[in-house]
Amino acid sequence: KQEVTQIPAALSVPEGENLVLNCSFTDSAIYNLQWFRQDPGKGLTSLLLIQSSQREQTSGRLNASLDKSSGRSTLYIAASQPGDSATYLCAVSHSGGGADGLTFGKGTHLIIQP
Amino acid sequence: DGGITQSPKYLFRKEGQNVTLSCEQNLNHDAMYWYRQDPGQGLRLIYYSQIVNDFQKGDIAEGYSVSREKKESFPLTVTSAQKNPTAFYLCASSSAEKLFFGSGTQLSVL
Repeated sequence: KQEVTQIPAALSVPEGENLVLNCSFTDSAIYNLQWFRQDPGKGLTSLLLIQSSQREQTSGRLNASLDKSSGRSTLYIAASQPGDSATYLCAVSHSGGGADGLTFGKGTHLIIQP
Repeated sequence: DGGITQSPKYLFRKEGQNVTLSCEQNLNHDAMYWYRQDPGQGLRLIYYSQIVNDFQKGDIAEGYSVSREKKESFPLTVTSAQKNPTAFYLCASSSAEKLFFGSGTQLSVL
C-alpha cells in the first residue's frame, strides 16, 4: 500500500528566506504527484502537478521537483512571504489520473514570521 | 464564478441522527469526490462518482452514503452508523488530473 510522508510536520522561518518542503512515497510506480496548499478551515488549492515523466514544475516563486526512482519530491519556495503561511500537502496518484487513486501526506504546517 | 460550493460550513449532529452535507459544482466536471480530514492527518477518500447515477466506495465508506442524481450535485449523508463522525469534510471535482476543492464542512457531535 502506498504511503506518503511529509517532513517536517511543521516549520517556522523568517520572512524572505528560501525553504524546502519534503515529500516521500513508498511505491515509485506513480502516475503523477501534486502539491496543494490549505489555509485554516478551508479547502485545498492545487499548486503544482508533476507527471511521472517530468523532473520539475515551476509556478512563480514555487518549484517542485520529482525523483520517482528514489520516491522523493521537494517543494521549493523562494523569498518566502507571510502570505505563504499555510499547510502544504503532497499527493501521489497511482492510477490513470483519477482522484480515486490519490494518496495524501499529512502535510507540513508552514509559518512565515514577518 | 465557477467553483464548488459546500454547505453548511458548520454542522452539528445529535446521537442517532443522520445528517446530509451538500456539495454543488458548476464546473461541468463528471467526477466528484468526498474526503474526510482529521486534525493533523491527510485526506481519506469516502466515496467518489465518475458519472451521474454511479458511485464507488472509497477507503472509509462505512457509515456514509451518497447519491449522484445530477451532474452538479453529490450530497453526502453521515448516518448514525458512523460512530466517530467529528471531522472536516471536503468535496472535490476533477477535470482530467487536476482536483478542485470546496471550502469544507466541519461536522461535530453534540
